[in-house]
Amino acid sequence: QSVLTQPPSVSAAPGQKVTISCSGSSSNIGSNYVSWYQQLPGTAPKLLIYENNKRPSGIPDRFSVSKSDTSATLAITGLQTGDEADYYCGTWDSSLSAGVFGGGTKLTVL
Amino acid sequence: EVQLVQSGAEVKKPGESLKISCKASGYSFSTDWIGWVRQMPGKGLEWMGIIYPGDSETRYSPSFEGQVTISADKSISTAYLQWSSLKASDTAIYYCARLLLWFGEKPARYFDPWGQGTLVTVSS
Repeated sequence: QSVLTQPPSVSAAPGQKVTISCSGSSSNIGSNYVSWYQQLPGTAPKLLIYENNKRPSGIPDRFSVSKSDTSATLAITGLQTGDEADYYCGTWDSSLSAGVFGGGTKLTVL
Repeated sequence: EVQLVQSGAEVKKPGESLKISCKASGYSFSTDWIGWVRQMPGKGLEWMGIIYPGDSETRYSPSFEGQVTISADKSISTAYLQWSSLKASDTAIYYCARLLLWFGEKPARYFDPWGQGTLVTVSS
């Protein structure tokens, strides 16, 4: 049981938009920024979004995040088949004094 | 270029000890936290713990406290993850990653980059 809750899977057609939610609590998302990671099949995770909606070099602006008090949402627009991957949210939990991840969401581009 | 290169795959028996490594290059190893993440077969990412190589301060997730030991040798820019007595349930891919910190409106802590992963298989 992960501290952060993500849907196990989402799907959409190429060119469409999909959103992936990440729900937590006041001790984690409520008081720390969330980062997002993309894990393509058979590869190591890669940073996708960090701090206040920043993207590392090479990550297109098709990827963006929004947040409310204790949840964050990753949005991917203009879906491509190459976006098929597992997506994870992560943040710090002040109660645990440790980092936490969501359970991961598998994105299928139909 | 910042890079983390991990040691190769390991096959061990239950009860054996193991130490895997993560060699950093391209940045000041002593002044950035570095952490370990577990991914069991077909499962998600689990945050294990971090170390600050400058003074070897460590933080562990409660789930991993006492189960593994994280260490670092700043003279060779290498972090380690070790077990004293492996169990079959330790079978997983283990990733190291640099932890970056930012203190803006709210704090941010995120892993970038990641190592390529080390597969540890524990089987009798």
